[in-house]
Amino acid sequence: KQEVTQIPAALSVPEGENLVLNCSFTDSAIYNLQWFRQDPGKGLTSLLLIQSSQREQTSGRLNASLDKSSGRSTLYIAASQPGDSATYLCAAPSNTGNQFYFGTGTSLTVIP
Amino acid sequence: EAGVTQFPSHSVIEKGQTVTLRCDPISGHDNLYWYRRVMGKEIKFLLHFVKESKQDESGMPNNRFLAERTGGTYSTLKVQPAELEDSGVYFCAVGPTAEAFFGQGTRLTVV
Repeated sequence: KQEVTQIPAALSVPEGENLVLNCSFTDSAIYNLQWFRQDPGKGLTSLLLIQSSQREQTSGRLNASLDKSSGRSTLYIAASQPGDSATYLCAAPSNTGNQFYFGTGTSLTVIP
Repeated sequence: EAGVTQFPSHSVIEKGQTVTLRCDPISGHDNLYWYRRVMGKEIKFLLHFVKESKQDESGMPNNRFLAERTGGTYSTLKVQPAELEDSGVYFCAVGPTAEAFFGQGTRLTVV
């Protein structure tokens, strides 16, 4: 069974800083890895999906990397803004691709 | 998130009562999933539909939970009778294999 861990559980940074969120997983035989954002009281918004054949994926100020051999993924946020404040979750699918295993998330606060 | 509507957004019920959660996805998605997040824990899989059939319900906690997907469109998740430990946020998701788009969730509070 896949186990997903996210570190740190919470992070507070001043506006403008670059930051890295970490995600590790135990089973490296994954289809892909997906990063989500959750705002309070809202659903999960998909940010980036990295296929198993990819090393990284970029969207705007976000860059996600995937290292299957070490069982790690990182989400890099450049020039952080207060609007980036949210909980960030990573999820790895099962080997059948039919269910996701989630980390407990990193709660990010960007201070103006 | 767009394209999956869940309601109610919030439900408060007493222990022993019945609650039905509903998920309305946009059309065209055969895969539909239910997940749950209880306080302080990670989001966990409950079950997976392919069209109207239950493909995998290994995550359902017990027989107090019943999920249906009528005609392969919307889905309901009924909890009967509800217990205190059922409190949490219930998410519905759709998508192709190994990718998911989530609804906003239903926050269930059992008192």
